[in-house]
Amino acid sequence: EVQLVESGGGLVQPGGSLRLSCAVSGFTFSSYWMSWVRQAPGKGLEWVATIKQDGSEKYYVDSVKGRFTISRDNAKNSLYLQMNSLRAEDTAVYYCARDWIGYCSSTSCYDAFDIWGQGTMVTVSS
Amino acid sequence: DIQLTQSPSFLSASVGDRVTITCRASQGISSFLAWYQQKPGKAPKLLIYAASTLQSGVPSRFSGSGSGTEFTLTISSLQPEDFATYYCQQLNSYPWTFGQGTKVEIK
Repeated sequence: EVQLVESGGGLVQPGGSLRLSCAVSGFTFSSYWMSWVRQAPGKGLEWVATIKQDGSEKYYVDSVKGRFTISRDNAKNSLYLQMNSLRAEDTAVYYCARDWIGYCSSTSCYDAFDIWGQGTMVTVSS
Repeated sequence: DIQLTQSPSFLSASVGDRVTITCRASQGISSFLAWYQQKPGKAPKLLIYAASTLQSGVPSRFSGSGSGTEFTLTISSLQPEDFATYYCQQLNSYPWTFGQGTKVEIK
């Protein structure tokens, strides 16, 4: 069964750090780009970061650049998000998601997030 | 950054209604658009990718269309299980962005 299971969320004070993990099973983890998406309470979805299969390319939303680091361990089938200098506005449910290529035409490949974890809650508060 | 604006933000409809949600991009994104459905307390579910391709296992009453800057998600005959919030997402260029969501409620 294809599964993504996040862990590591919790309550942290402003300025603190937290490391989220996403354990993957049911597919060849090393073959896929992976991403983190967050959702603040009662709000919409926000893409946070994406990492290439071998970790050689990483992309971040501006609001977390310099504070968050996405990484992966293909031997452990795990995705991570190291979050430092946390702020109240980082409070959200954090989802990991598989970046899947639906199909490729002669010129472009079209992807989407086809598998999502259940999410882990991060609360930044004093 | 590419902004996605969904309309309407809220929609009240009855079972059996035809429902259309629009997603407008602030600049052209070709067909690099996906649609998701999210129910309360659950992770999003992929419905449509490449603007108009139905994800495997998704009922055929869902369809997507559009290219460039204007896109639509249509539910041909709303079912009780379709009451949820729907999001569009552009994957044309980083930072990837989502629309603000459209909540479909029971009339």
